[in-house]
Amino acid sequence: DIVVTQSPDSLAVSLGERATINCKSSQSVLYRPNNKDYLAWYQQKPGQPPKLLIYWASTRESGVPDRFSGSGSGTDFTLTISSLQAEDVAVYYCQQYYSTPLTFGGGTKVEIK
Amino acid sequence: EVQLVESGGGLVQPGGSLRLSCAASGFSFSRYWMSWVRQAPGKGLEWVANMKQDESEKNYVDSVRGRFTISRDNAKNSLYLQINSLRAEDTAVYYCAGGYGWYLDLWGRGTLVTVSS
Repeated sequence: DIVVTQSPDSLAVSLGERATINCKSSQSVLYRPNNKDYLAWYQQKPGQPPKLLIYWASTRESGVPDRFSGSGSGTDFTLTISSLQAEDVAVYYCQQYYSTPLTFGGGTKVEIK
Repeated sequence: EVQLVESGGGLVQPGGSLRLSCAASGFSFSRYWMSWVRQAPGKGLEWVANMKQDESEKNYVDSVRGRFTISRDNAKNSLYLQINSLRAEDTAVYYCAGGYGWYLDLWGRGTLVTVSS
């Protein structure tokens, strides 16, 4: 099974500042034949289901603000919120979909400082 | 409007069974891989199982294999999860989720399964 590890567990960022979340997989999720990384990011607000933000490591889902961006390849990935807004307070999860069992990171809670 | 609506959760004793249902609307259900994902109270997300569009492939996490069975009825735009031999550690909100591939762009609001005597 591919283990996905996120860091930090939580972070507090001032409004308008950058938030960076890291995600590491225990093996590469890059599929060489199509050169795609099978890594997604989700946002979950309290009392709500998760919402897809990013897939293929860096492709933003339709309707997701461009302050959210994903980067990285292979085993190391980053979700960046370029200018934190109040509505971005949530828990963020990365997920590998390279192989089953599909696995999620443990989550990163983002709060306002 | 795209919707996934789960039902069938509830309080069940250890060793008991439940059948969860997910009703889909507003999109081409038969073109989507469908998954069940669960979240224990105050915990993170755990993928449970998925099923290919044409029912030819099913996958499970090891902790539920042999106890849980995923199925779908494309004619009824519905996904199911039969859960047997329930344990306390199966207590969670169960989400129905789907995507063209294995990333999940559609989610329901979940149904709570509580296993307790």
